Amino acid sequence: TAGITQAPTSQILAAGRSMTLRCTQDMRHNAMYWYRQDLGLGLRLIHYSNTAGTTGKGEVPDGYSVSRANTDDFPLTLASAVPSQTSVYFCASSELAGQETQYFGPGTRLLVL
Amino acid sequence: GDSVTQMEGPVTLSEEAFLTINCTYTATGYPSLFWYVQYPGEGLQLLLKATKADDKGSNKGFEATYRKETTSFHLEKGSVQVSDSAVYFCALSDTGFQKLVFGTGTRLLVSP
Repeated sequence: TAGITQAPTSQILAAGRSMTLRCTQDMRHNAMYWYRQDLGLGLRLIHYSNTAGTTGKGEVPDGYSVSRANTDDFPLTLASAVPSQTSVYFCASSELAGQETQYFGPGTRLLVL
Repeated sequence: GDSVTQMEGPVTLSEEAFLTINCTYTATGYPSLFWYVQYPGEGLQLLLKATKADDKGSNKGFEATYRKETTSFHLEKGSVQVSDSAVYFCALSDTGFQKLVFGTGTRLLVSP
């Protein structure tokens, strides 16, 4: 079972450019999440989706947008990248929103120059 | 808002030593508590969880007990192995907003 896949694995991006980080899950989970991981700060929630067709803002949403057109896919878009968006990005999913175990993808390492 | 505080690392131990990683939380309501582990170059994976007070979560020799009176969920293992070297994250499920709130992570280094 693939679980959650993320693409690309890593990317170097020039400041001001746009980029979409892809996330796909094959578990038919209702809820999906995007986190960024920064040293000393742990994981911080960027955006989430409790079910297909709905999205919500997390702790650090500025500069990011998401969409949830179907159950399986939850892309994260940086419209105009800035160096402070250099981070490791993790997509996760859970069967239901709320008190449920989350399953994480392998991450995308992004460097914005 | 809800928050999780865990001890800063790195925690450096010799193989077969006893491990404790402290975690305390602040929450309204009655959250579920989790420990996630991240091995080098990988995403996070659930290690164990507890959903109510006095529950003990356990997996792979690791244990943690949900202590409501001290708002703690300390991770313990009686005898660590080199393969346990990883970053450990304590987390709670925020019942108000239905999200996971993570601590900053504690790196564990186990030497032979």
